[in-house]
Amino acid sequence: SYELTQPPSVSVSPGQTASISCSGDKLGDRHACWYQQKPGQSPMVVIYQDIKRPSGIPERFSGSNSGNTATLTISGTQAMDEADYYCQAWDSSTVVFGGGTRLTVL
Amino acid sequence: QVQLVQSGAEVRKPGASVKVSCKASGYTFTSYDINWVRQATGQGLEWMGWMNPNSGNTGYAQKFQGRVTMTRNTSISTAYMELSSLRSEDTAVYYCARFKHAADYWGQGTLVTVSS
Repeated sequence: SYELTQPPSVSVSPGQTASISCSGDKLGDRHACWYQQKPGQSPMVVIYQDIKRPSGIPERFSGSNSGNTATLTISGTQAMDEADYYCQAWDSSTVVFGGGTRLTVL
Repeated sequence: QVQLVQSGAEVRKPGASVKVSCKASGYTFTSYDINWVRQATGQGLEWMGWMNPNSGNTGYAQKFQGRVTMTRNTSISTAYMELSSLRSEDTAVYYCARFKHAADYWGQGTLVTVSS
């Protein structure tokens, strides 16, 4: 079965750039999405179709996807961005999630 | 505005079944797939399957094949997920989500606790 691998944790200082990776076999040939989940809340999509931001998502969130790796980048990270982030892709008609990355802003 | 409102928390004994509902509003229910995703406490997101509310077609994760059934009632814009033969490892928050290019709207989650 298809697998997506994320680092368990990433730390970043306020105002700096955070990058969260998601790796999978030929992931660049598929579309990737990214979700943000804060404690006690439902997930929320922040990037879809590799690079697109839903309305209401700040411009500091961006995505890329090439080769075997998709990357979520948060520029000028703010304290409010501290959350768990999950990548997601499709394998045929199956949805696959990465294991999640805890982003700590300190 | 688009909303997905799920039924309340449930407690079941091992071996029992649970049926969670997800009522959609603010959009045409039959125009978007509904997927179900669960999350055990402190764990990641786990995809369970999808349903096309227009056709009723479904697709389930291999892990849940034979134990999960996803249905809908289009007259009340509601999707359902039933999970049978419950075990303690099924204790989790269950989410419905509207999917197109991504899960753009999520329900608030339903806690299902399996305990003897």
